[in-house]
Amino acid sequence: AQSVTQLGSHVSVSEGALVLLRCNYSSSVPPYLFWYVQYPNQGLQLLLKYTSAATLVKGINGFEAEFKKSETSFHLTKPSAHMSDAAEYFCAVSDLSAGGTSYGKLTFGQGTILTVHP
Amino acid sequence: DGGITQSPKYLFRKEGQNVTLSCEQNLNHDAMYWYRQDPGQGLRLIYYSQIVNDFQKGDIAEGYSVSREKKESFPLTVTSAQKNPTAFYLCASTTSRDSPINYGYTFGSGTRLTVV
Repeated sequence: AQSVTQLGSHVSVSEGALVLLRCNYSSSVPPYLFWYVQYPNQGLQLLLKYTSAATLVKGINGFEAEFKKSETSFHLTKPSAHMSDAAEYFCAVSDLSAGGTSYGKLTFGQGTILTVHP
Repeated sequence: DGGITQSPKYLFRKEGQNVTLSCEQNLNHDAMYWYRQDPGQGLRLIYYSQIVNDFQKGDIAEGYSVSREKKESFPLTVTSAQKNPTAFYLCASTTSRDSPINYGYTFGSGTRLTVV
């Protein structure tokens, strides 16, 4: 079974500072990993995804994440935070595997709320 | 524009009442999902459906029911058996078993259910 742990339920940064949101996963098969962002009272928007191609994945709004198999991590970063980045971020792992029979369910972490101070 | 429409945005339920949350998509997606979101717990899967007239229980299906009579529609009923239904409910869809890898999941804007 897959699982995801997001370290830190709240992260606070100053505008212009580095954003680092941590995600560790557990998977019995090579994982497919996702980062989503959620603004208050809205659905989730895909930021980026890892699908076993390049280990450094670039997403929208200047975010990127690096897949590190040895550390079972998929941390999300952005060099310079903007006020509009304030939201809740979710890391997720898919249970799809090559040749498997899964329907492709996503398992989510608990979420990290990012606050950006002026 | 194509997307997923959830309605209503806010819903209030009295104790012992069944309520139905609507989820409609015009993306021609095959698979649809219902997730429940509670603060600090992330999203938990309630039910999912890969094709019409077929659906499977997720991790927290007790107290919920679904139907999939049409490809574009996947309504969720919160029954009186669900003892703690107050939460934010999200519907999602994707095109097929393999496409979450290529296209990810599309989410609706959610329904906030409150028991009064």
